[in-house]
Amino acid sequence: GAGVSQTPSNKVTEKGKYVELRCDPISGHTALYWYRQSLGQGPEFLIYFQGTGAADDSGLPNDRFFAVRPEGSVSTLKIQRTERGDSAVYLCASSVDRGADTQYFGPGTRLTVL
Amino acid sequence: GESVGLHLPTLSVQEGDNSIINCAYSNSASDYFIWYKQESGKGPQFIIDIRSNMDKRQGQRVTVLLNKTVKHLSLQIAATQPGDSAVYFCAEIGSGGGYNKLIFGAGTRLAVHP
Repeated sequence: GAGVSQTPSNKVTEKGKYVELRCDPISGHTALYWYRQSLGQGPEFLIYFQGTGAADDSGLPNDRFFAVRPEGSVSTLKIQRTERGDSAVYLCASSVDRGADTQYFGPGTRLTVL
Repeated sequence: GESVGLHLPTLSVQEGDNSIINCAYSNSASDYFIWYKQESGKGPQFIIDIRSNMDKRQGQRVTVLLNKTVKHLSLQIAATQPGDSAVYFCAEIGSGGGYNKLIFGAGTRLAVHP
């Protein structure tokens, strides 16, 4: 079956602009996670959704970052007033449900802020 | 705070040899560990996992060893193949919350030479 998909695969934007990154989890997975991966580093947790609600957003670096999952499936990560330091690969993962161990990752969106 | 790190940033091996990738973790309360493989331009791919009540777990050509006394994990790959070339991450499940917030180390790059 289809895995986790993310769009766009690459996004180049200018400093100060607004961007949206989309994640389509595996069908039926209720848990969804966003991670951020800087070059040469491991992914870092940003936010976790269980269904429609953000159960833990403790990893979001500041209030310029926001994520939604209005219908409990597709999620959008939104970044306002982008900064060069936001440049990274943004990864999405999903798992069957809360407490399920295996998280399946998408290919990521590479964000470059000029 | 909690952290997961790796001893060796780069490992070069000959095709057919066995590979061993090491990882240290700091949170003695963690009870679940996962190894992920990440190829260039792709998201992390689940390889194998182990719970803290186990010392060893085997999969197809891979074995994970857990030493809780010294808080050390290793991933052994038998008969390494060119397709094994990738960055390998160990990840620890963050404690609390009933969900699986992954904490990744920085990664080890495995280069397999013919």
